[in-house]
Amino acid sequence: DAGVIQSPRHEVTEMGQEVTLRCKPISGHDYLFWYRQTMMRGLELLIYFNNNVPIDDSGMPEDRFSAKMPNASFSTLKIQPSEPRDSAVYFCASSFERTSWTEAFFGQGTRLTVV
Amino acid sequence: QQPVQSPQAVILREGEDAVINCSSSKALYSVHWYRQKHGEAPVFLMILLKGGEQKGHEKISASFNEKKQQSSLYLTASQLSYSGTYFCGSVNFGNEKLTFGTGTRLTIIP
Repeated sequence: DAGVIQSPRHEVTEMGQEVTLRCKPISGHDYLFWYRQTMMRGLELLIYFNNNVPIDDSGMPEDRFSAKMPNASFSTLKIQPSEPRDSAVYFCASSFERTSWTEAFFGQGTRLTVV
Repeated sequence: QQPVQSPQAVILREGEDAVINCSSSKALYSVHWYRQKHGEAPVFLMILLKGGEQKGHEKISASFNEKKQQSSLYLTASQLSYSGTYFCGSVNFGNEKLTFGTGTRLTIIP
């Protein structure tokens, strides 16, 4: 398997524009996580899905952020409208079983810059 | 709830040992350890599930105390390749939220 695949790897956008980040989890993995990483706040969990269903979105910072998982092989994280403070590296991760007892595999991340 | 990691940063000479600590105010279901190299994704090192457990991976090992509120990562005879930021991740009882500490930046110098 190619691992967790994220696209794009880099995104530069202007403030106010809509941004969509994409993630393809490892085939057969039931759990999918979206994280945001900044120097100030570290790795923050935004939302996680189990079998395509959002389970906990308490980490989503504002209504400007939304995430979907229309099927087992694809998820999106959308920011609309984007703001400079959204600049960060966004990671998607997936796990085969419950993270209580198994590892999470991370994608290479999307570096988002909002100017 | 985010686990608390310490120290924030460590600088070692090759061959020296380091300990990174991770603590929680509540008992955890499990604790994960990951390492992230600059510009790369975090990579899994190990997971501990049982109170009192100790687990090893080459010269990197970890422990989980009996109350399951504290874990430590031990790096013995450090190598240049150990440089990076180490994160502990915690999972509480009743959910699958993998929440990370703020990280410990480890720098190994020759």
